[in-house]
Amino acid sequence: GAVVSQHPSRVICKSGTSVKIECRSLDFQATTMFWYRQFPKQSLMLMATSNEGSKATYEQGVEKDKFLINHASLTLSTLTVTSAHPEDSSFYICSARPGTGQRDSDTQYFGPGTRLTVL
Amino acid sequence: QKEVEQDPGPLSVPEGAIVSLNCTYSNSAFQYFMWYRQYSRKGPELLMYTYSSGNKEDGRFTAQVDKSSKYISLFIRDSQPSDSATYLCAMSEAGGYNKLIFGAGTRLAVHP
Repeated sequence: GAVVSQHPSRVICKSGTSVKIECRSLDFQATTMFWYRQFPKQSLMLMATSNEGSKATYEQGVEKDKFLINHASLTLSTLTVTSAHPEDSSFYICSARPGTGQRDSDTQYFGPGTRLTVL
Repeated sequence: QKEVEQDPGPLSVPEGAIVSLNCTYSNSAFQYFMWYRQYSRKGPELLMYTYSSGNKEDGRFTAQVDKSSKYISLFIRDSQPSDSATYLCAMSEAGGYNKLIFGAGTRLAVHP
């Protein structure tokens, strides 16, 4: 149980284009999903927290107009990197927290990550 | 001072050794403590999840939390080459959006 998927696993795009990454909780409902960024050999950096049906809360220093987050349902959140530039190249990972009343509702389960390369 | 301190290693041990991984923290409000394992180019995988102080065992893994010392540990018995990965400790306060605070991660290499 507690499986989170991400799509695509890898994407290469040209500078100036937009890229959408999907995060799905496959066997549980996730009222809260999180988006992280990870640079090589570094820990995870939280970018934003999203709750189903409401606007995402962004961490300090994260441009909300550049990283658009939509949490449209209890099993799906999307991250859109708009007008991507080479410095946006990174490993993006989502996580999902089971809703209140579900098993392990106080922890997070992570997706496999999406490697974005902007040329 | 970071909220969560974790030695990044690397830590190299022979197969079969007992591995001890540790984190210290400064926020006394942390209530939930987790250990994640992350293989290269993969997302973190939840290994252990503990609420408040105490021990928890699952197979070859034992997690310990000492809230009085603000110190958590993960022990791996009979370590295997497949245990080679980065181990991240994470913790959160009770309630709210359960924002996780991560340690830097410790890179572990188990050699045959």
